[in-house]
Amino acid sequence: DAGVTQSPTHLIKTRGQQVTLRCSPKSGHDTVSWYQQALGQGPQFIFQYYEEEERQRGNFPDRFSGHQFPNYSSELNVNALLLGDSALYLCASSERWNEKLFFGSGTQLSVL
Amino acid sequence: QQQVKQSPQSLIVQKGGISIINCAYENTAFDYFPWYQQFPGKGPALLIAIRPDVSEKKEGRFTISFNKSAKQFSLHIMDSQPGDSATYFCAAAADRGSTLGRLYFGRGTQLTVWP
Repeated sequence: DAGVTQSPTHLIKTRGQQVTLRCSPKSGHDTVSWYQQALGQGPQFIFQYYEEEERQRGNFPDRFSGHQFPNYSSELNVNALLLGDSALYLCASSERWNEKLFFGSGTQLSVL
Repeated sequence: QQQVKQSPQSLIVQKGGISIINCAYENTAFDYFPWYQQFPGKGPALLIAIRPDVSEKKEGRFTISFNKSAKQFSLHIMDSQPGDSATYFCAAAADRGSTLGRLYFGRGTQLTVWP
């Protein structure tokens, strides 16, 4: 049983570009959350999706957007990249009524 | 504003010793308190979690102690092993009906266990 899978594992972009990160949840999970983890910091909540809708959102600008597909997979899009967007982006999945979150290994984004 | 404050930032323990990491929170709506372990290049993995209706929970060598009145909780790792060397995060969340709310993470503790 595959866990949470994220792609790509590493990505290098330049300022002003746009990026799309992808996540496939653990089998049986219908809820996907995205977190940003800066170097040496704890993960920061970006948003959560279930039933293909954004249900909760953290303190991130509108440049961060997402989508959930009917098969529960999800994308995170970041527009107009800034140097400060360089971080590890983590996807976490769960069953709606289960508090246990399972994290993927993340996508390391570097903005030059 | 940091919703969950974690200390120490780093911890060095001898093999066989006890590792203790502390966290504090202010939001009384929090009712779920997990601890995560993260190895380099990996995502956080759930270690153990507690709800406020109990003061202690033990799973193997890992124990959470919870003090509701003080709004503090801590992770104790007994008989610490070199394989426990990792970054540990405490977190907190509030239930939102049928789904768990966002997790607020502490800044993390880098644990090193010397053989």
